[in-house]
This record gives sequence, C-alpha cells and structure tokens, in this order.
Amino acid sequence: GAVVSQHPSWVICKSGTSVKIECRSLDFQATTMFWYRQFPKQSLMLMATSNEGSKATYEQGVEKDKFLINHASLTLSTLTVTSAHPEDSSFYICSATGTSEDTQYFGPGTRLTVL
Amino acid sequence: GQNIDQPTEMTATEGAIVQINCTYQTSGFNGLFWYQQHAGEAPTFLSYNVLDGLEEKGRFSSFLSRSKGYSYLLLKELQMKDSASYLCAVSVLSLSGGSYIPTFGRGTSLIVHP
Repeated sequence: GAVVSQHPSWVICKSGTSVKIECRSLDFQATTMFWYRQFPKQSLMLMATSNEGSKATYEQGVEKDKFLINHASLTLSTLTVTSAHPEDSSFYICSATGTSEDTQYFGPGTRLTVL
Repeated sequence: GQNIDQPTEMTATEGAIVQINCTYQTSGFNGLFWYQQHAGEAPTFLSYNVLDGLEEKGRFSSFLSRSKGYSYLLLKELQMKDSASYLCAVSVLSLSGGSYIPTFGRGTSLIVHP
C-alpha cells in the first residue's frame, strides 16, 4: 500500500513554544491530507482537512490560528502547533488520500508532550 | 452530523472467531472503512466496503448493509497479535463536494487471551 511518513515521531517542548510536524506521501500524490488528534484511549478526532494549494478546512472547535496547516505541494503538509500548552499534549496523526480514491493511508503519528 | 456506534471492548479466545459490529447514521454516505490500531501506533487499513455484502481478505472479512446502516468486521482464527483497537470509519462526501471526509467511531478494544 501507499506510504505516508511523519516527522518527528515524538517531540517534547516547553510551554509557549511552537512545534512543526511534517506529513509526507512518499510514493503517491496526495490530493487531500487530514490531520487528527488522539488522546489516550479515545478515538481519532479530525482536526482539519487540507487540499493542496488551498486553505485548510477546520473542524468545529479547532482554532485555526493555533493549529496552522500548510499544504504546499502534493506530497507535503505541515501542522504547526503555535504557543503550545500542556493541554495540547497528544498523539497527532496525518493521513493522505490520492486522486480518484478515498482510502486513507496513515502516517505513523507524532507524540507531542508539552511541559 | 455523523453518528457511529461500536462496542467499547470485547474479549475472545485464541483460535476463536469474533465479530465486531458498527452501526452508523449519516448523510452523504460513500463507504465504510475498518482500521486496526495497536496501542501507541497509527491505524492500519484493513478493509473498505462501498457496496452491500461480504468481502473476505484472509482471516478478516467485512460486511456492509447500506440500507440498515450496519457493518461488521469478522476475525477468524484469532491470534494474540490481533489484540488491538478496531476502528470503524464512515466516509462521506463533503458539503462542497470536493473531498471525502472520514469520521471515526470510538473504536472497539479487542483482547485476545490464550
């Protein structure tokens, strides 16, 4: 199947700093990328949907000024958590779909811990 | 909005068969996914059903009834490594019609014991 990578796989940062997470589709062109957040023992919560070259569509309750999403190319999307706080500590997962299909391929996830 | 319901937890014995059910209420339904997720890892794709019926893939099978808003994942010859969370996800066409938006259920934690 298709391969999606994420970087970094884990990050620990101080409260108030910004963290950037990269999501790349390695062997296909991702027309749409999704960003999820997952708290322990809970399901995936969709944060935003991003299409290449256009602004991301955020889900209700997700602050777009806090979670900046950029989808500059068909193989790369980035999520920047600005001014991170301990409550932002979570497992962030991206997924991607190619053209003419809606099967999502997930990245390995990024575990963010904010001290 | 979307409403997806699946059991929180199930237990089964190694070598047995288990069926994990998922019911959904949604508009703009396009298809239903099943994913497996081990603790601390990202989900991995298991199956995708668009049409009614049963699709078999090795030890795993998935069934869909669009009219009933119902799906199940069937796992045969259970192995200890099958202990994981199984996520049911519904794919619906966005309001703009430009992309498919996935919505996940809370997941079913399956525990396989010897």
